[in-house]
Amino acid sequence: SQQGEEDPQALSIQEGENATMNCSYKTSINNLQWYRQNSGRGLVHLILIRSNEREKHSGRLRVTLDTSKKSSSLLITASRAADTASYFCATYTGRRALTFGSGTRLQVQP
Amino acid sequence: NAGVTQTPKFQVLKTGQSMTLQCAQDMNHEYMSWYRQDPGMGLRLIHYSVGAGITDQGEVPNGYNVSRSTTEDFPLRLLSAAPSQTSVYFCASSYDRDISYEQYFGPGTRLTVT
Repeated sequence: SQQGEEDPQALSIQEGENATMNCSYKTSINNLQWYRQNSGRGLVHLILIRSNEREKHSGRLRVTLDTSKKSSSLLITASRAADTASYFCATYTGRRALTFGSGTRLQVQP
Repeated sequence: NAGVTQTPKFQVLKTGQSMTLQCAQDMNHEYMSWYRQDPGMGLRLIHYSVGAGITDQGEVPNGYNVSRSTTEDFPLRLLSAAPSQTSVYFCASSYDRDISYEQYFGPGTRLTVT
């Protein structure tokens, strides 16, 4: 079973708008990571947030983590057409493996 | 640095054939892993290695073998290909033996088994 599940499964927005996607997980984590996958390509690491952190920023990305609700959100501000991709959360539970969710497909319309 | 490289990019096999998917990294990473990605799904871990000579099973290991004779290489062997193994395969590596750091992914191998 998937440890992390993203919501929504698909999201379509206009360029310049903000995109928010959520990730819920089931068991306690050491850290949570977000990855981007462009069509037909490998995954690229975006940001890592540790269990003792609540918020982290990287450029136009903002990630929050609520361990009490076992959830995280990824906000992309001022989206661009180049942000069109699938976004995955991955959780590390200390068992030497990352567990990935099924992803959110983001479409940014120019 | 080339990062994580995978060969081949595409492969078609017949049921029952065997083959090896190659993965190499030039970043001196201790941790390497293999995932498969099926349509509309996330990645599922097949096997992983925390260093040369050390491998372990992931979530979906059946039908696959791995070995890690060097730090750089981590090949994945399909013993007797089945249509259920049609998927995109990704190799990844990380600095840390406990993968608490970011993973670097290869470009993937798209495998079709007929």
